[in-house]
Amino acid sequence: AQRVTQPEKLLSVFKGAPVELKCNYSYSGSPELFWYVQYSRQRLQLLLRHISRESIKGFTADLNKGETSFHLKKPFAQEEDSAMYYCALKGAGGYQKVTFGTGTKLQVIP
Amino acid sequence: GAGVSQTPSNKVTEKGKYVELRCDPISGHTALYWYRQSLGQGPEFLIYFQGTGAADDSGLPNDRFFAVRPEGSVSTLKIQRTERGDSAVYLCASSLSPSETQYFGPGTRLLVL
Repeated sequence: AQRVTQPEKLLSVFKGAPVELKCNYSYSGSPELFWYVQYSRQRLQLLLRHISRESIKGFTADLNKGETSFHLKKPFAQEEDSAMYYCALKGAGGYQKVTFGTGTKLQVIP
Repeated sequence: GAGVSQTPSNKVTEKGKYVELRCDPISGHTALYWYRQSLGQGPEFLIYFQGTGAADDSGLPNDRFFAVRPEGSVSTLKIQRTERGDSAVYLCASSLSPSETQYFGPGTRLLVL
């Protein structure tokens, strides 16, 4: 069975402070990991995927297979980063079912 | 271009009634997915279509739930004999192929009274 755990329901940080949203996963095969974001009154959208190894809006995430983690990080939080963030997992290659975590609400305090 | 659209945006029904939720995917996207998101939870997979066929329906909770995609484009999620526990936001997503990025619709918020 595949499982994604996001331990924090809410994370509050001050503007300019570093951000780390935690994500741990359980999967027996080779996983693909994603971060999705949902801004207020907008639809769910892909933020980044680990295979792309890119930085989007200053966010990065590194897949750590040893710790089975895929934490999302940003060095300096901005007010516009306030949103719901969901970590998601699927098996590598072709179609595989996507499993989402329960989400973390990031609140950036001005 | 237009993104994934879903209708209605909100649906209120009474326990025991039948409802249909519609999804219009992005043109050309062969893969279509339905998810259910309950309050405080992440999206939960329901069913995946590749073209006209349901390639994976393992997420459908019981036989009251059914989905079709007869022409490989628009999809309808059908719920029979609705129960209060069916209240949730139903999300649709589409992708160019199963390995490509999924694009989500705005969701249909279903409330069963």
